[in-house]
Amino acid sequence: QQQVKQSPQSLIVQKGGISIINCAYENTAFDYFPWYQQFPGKGPALLIAIRPDVSEKKEGRFTISFNKSAKQFSLHIMDSQPGDSATYFCAAGISGGYNKLIFGAGTRLAVHP
Amino acid sequence: DAGVTQSPTHLIKTRGQQVTLRCSPKSGHDTVSWYQQALGQGPQFIFQYYEEEERQRGNFPDRFSGHQFPNYSSELNVNALLLGDSALYLCASSLGGSGWPQHFGDGTRLSIL
Repeated sequence: QQQVKQSPQSLIVQKGGISIINCAYENTAFDYFPWYQQFPGKGPALLIAIRPDVSEKKEGRFTISFNKSAKQFSLHIMDSQPGDSATYFCAAGISGGYNKLIFGAGTRLAVHP
Repeated sequence: DAGVTQSPTHLIKTRGQQVTLRCSPKSGHDTVSWYQQALGQGPQFIFQYYEEEERQRGNFPDRFSGHQFPNYSSELNVNALLLGDSALYLCASSLGGSGWPQHFGDGTRLSIL
C-alpha cells in the first residue's frame, strides 16, 4: 500500500521532443507529490512538486499532471534537451507529525541530439 | 546559501565494522531525514530527526541509529555492517513546520568489503 510504481524504466527521446514519465500510488494518505532529478554521483534535486488539490502545475519546461481519482501523476518535460539526460524519481509524501517520502524506482532518461 | 552537506563522500568498510556518517542541514532547516539508495533503485526512508528526537522510522533494523545535535546537524550510525549495507546514504533537510520540500545532499557512498 505504500508503494509508488513508476514507468517506464528507461526512456529515449530526441532533442526537442516531449518526455513523459508516469507514476501510480495506492495509499490515499499521501498528500505531497514531488519529482526529483538525479545525475550520476549527485543527490536527488527537487524539480517540481504538487499537492492533491491541484490537477496540474507547470514550472518552465516541466509540468506535473495529477489525477486524484485514478491515483496517478505524471511528469512532462517539454522541448527535451541533452542536458535533461538523468534519472528521474517520482515520490509520494506522508505528513502528520513527520514527513516521509516513498520513492518510485526511477526512470533513466536519455535525450539524443 | 549553503545546501545540505554530507561527509565523508566515500567510505570503504569491512563486514562487522561500524560506521558514522554526518550531515549538516540547509541553512534555516531544523529537520533531518536519512535515506538509503541501493544501486539502480529509489531512495528508501530510514528515519527522521526533529528537535533532537527520532520521530519516525522506516523498515530498517536497530543496527541503524541516529542522532541530532542542538545545531540541527545529524549523524547516522550503522553497526555490524553487512554486505547488503553497501549503498548511497542520503541526508535530506526540511523545515519542521510544513515539512516540505525536502532538500537532499549528494550523499555518502558506503562500500562494504
